[in-house]
Amino acid sequence: AQSVTQLDSQVPVFEEAPVELRCNYSSSVSVYLFWYVQYPNQGLQLLLKYLSGSTLVKGINGFEAEFNKSQTSFHLRKPSVHISDTAEYFCAVAQGQGNLIFGKGTKLSVKP
Amino acid sequence: ETGVTQSPTHLIKTRGQQVTLRCSSQSGHNTVSWYQQALGQGPQFIFQYYREEENGRGNFPPRFSGLQFPNYSSELNVNALELDDSALYLCASSLGGQGGVAKNIQYFGAGTRLSVL
Repeated sequence: AQSVTQLDSQVPVFEEAPVELRCNYSSSVSVYLFWYVQYPNQGLQLLLKYLSGSTLVKGINGFEAEFNKSQTSFHLRKPSVHISDTAEYFCAVAQGQGNLIFGKGTKLSVKP
Repeated sequence: ETGVTQSPTHLIKTRGQQVTLRCSSQSGHNTVSWYQQALGQGPQFIFQYYREEENGRGNFPPRFSGLQFPNYSSELNVNALELDDSALYLCASSLGGQGGVAKNIQYFGAGTRLSVL
């Protein structure tokens, strides 16, 4: 069965510092990987996706992620965070029927 | 804005009652998936509907049921509510196919927050 592990439940960081949110997945088949962001009292918004091709994927709001098949990882990075990036971030893998398996989420807290 | 709308936004029920949640999918999308997000957890897949038929189901009991209508909007019904059903219920729409298409992006609504007392 596929699964997703987000290694950090909370990540505090100062404004303009770089950040990395870690995600590992387990799957025995081809993977399609996603990062979603959830702002307070809102639904999920797609940040970026890996379907195939280049292992470095760029998304919205300056985020990027790198697919590493040998390490089964899909870590999310941003070189300089803003206060407005404070939110919860979810890594997900898609199963064959199209449903998503999510990690437990990482709360990013950006401090001034 | 994803074009996926859910109603109501908040709901309070008591244990044993029944509840219906509604979702309007994004224009052009024929697949709706429902997820339950308990406090402090990631969303968990409940089931998916494609062209009015259930197209996959997660590990949820039969008291969780659904419908999809010809316009591809959808309902989630939960019978005999339990305290643990308190959660944010998310609907996502996508352009799918029979058996699902894993690559297709799912667009989420803002959710319905259900509290069971």
